Amino acid sequence: GAGVSQSPSNKVTEKGKDVELRCDPISGHTALYWYRQSLGQGLEFLIYFQGNSAPDKSGLPSDRFSAERTGGSVSTLTIQRTQQEDSAVYLCASSFMGDQPQHFGDGTRLSIL
Amino acid sequence: AQTVTQSQPEMSVQEAETVTLSCTYDTSESDYYLFWYKQPPSRQMILVIRQEAYKQQNATENRFSVNFQKAAKSFSLKISDSQLGDAAMYFCAYRRKTEETSGSRLTFGEGTQLTVNP
Repeated sequence: GAGVSQSPSNKVTEKGKDVELRCDPISGHTALYWYRQSLGQGLEFLIYFQGNSAPDKSGLPSDRFSAERTGGSVSTLTIQRTQQEDSAVYLCASSFMGDQPQHFGDGTRLSIL
Repeated sequence: AQTVTQSQPEMSVQEAETVTLSCTYDTSESDYYLFWYKQPPSRQMILVIRQEAYKQQNATENRFSVNFQKAAKSFSLKISDSQLGDAAMYFCAYRRKTEETSGSRLTFGEGTQLTVNP
């Protein structure tokens, strides 16, 4: 597609459930990033994938959070046993190689009841 | 660790006027990138302007320009001839420079909500 695509756009779930958020980067972009934006806050880095290299997971807030990127393209962010503090907008970005500007998707707004 | 600070949570400007948004940062690196991103209610982060630290010339993009003061670690955004469509949350961001094939995270400030009054 023309831009970074994220799904779902909105997700409401009950506390304790697992959720999966999907990101489809711009075709040809090798670098993929996940960020989290809590209400009224700036963006917080979560994880970064670059080609076939091991991902940089240093921003993941707990072991309930994990992400994978299959075939160097689509990425899935999984949050297990969701908590209310996980409520936020989750933004994905991609870039052509690593040192180019990041292009963002529209994000997934996650609400934990 | 790098930090980015935006001290103005909210700003307002009259349509057609000029407004400046402030940003300061802290880093021990000598070469890096600075960015301003715009986030309208649609949530998508839109790149407004980018500055490379080793370039002394301030970046400009049409009505948007920056005042980059490396020694002071200051990176302000000036919006000239403000338009209603400029209303959004603006984020200042820092990224260290890496090898071409590598990447690094963006570190964001807290954002400034800009209102444009007709």
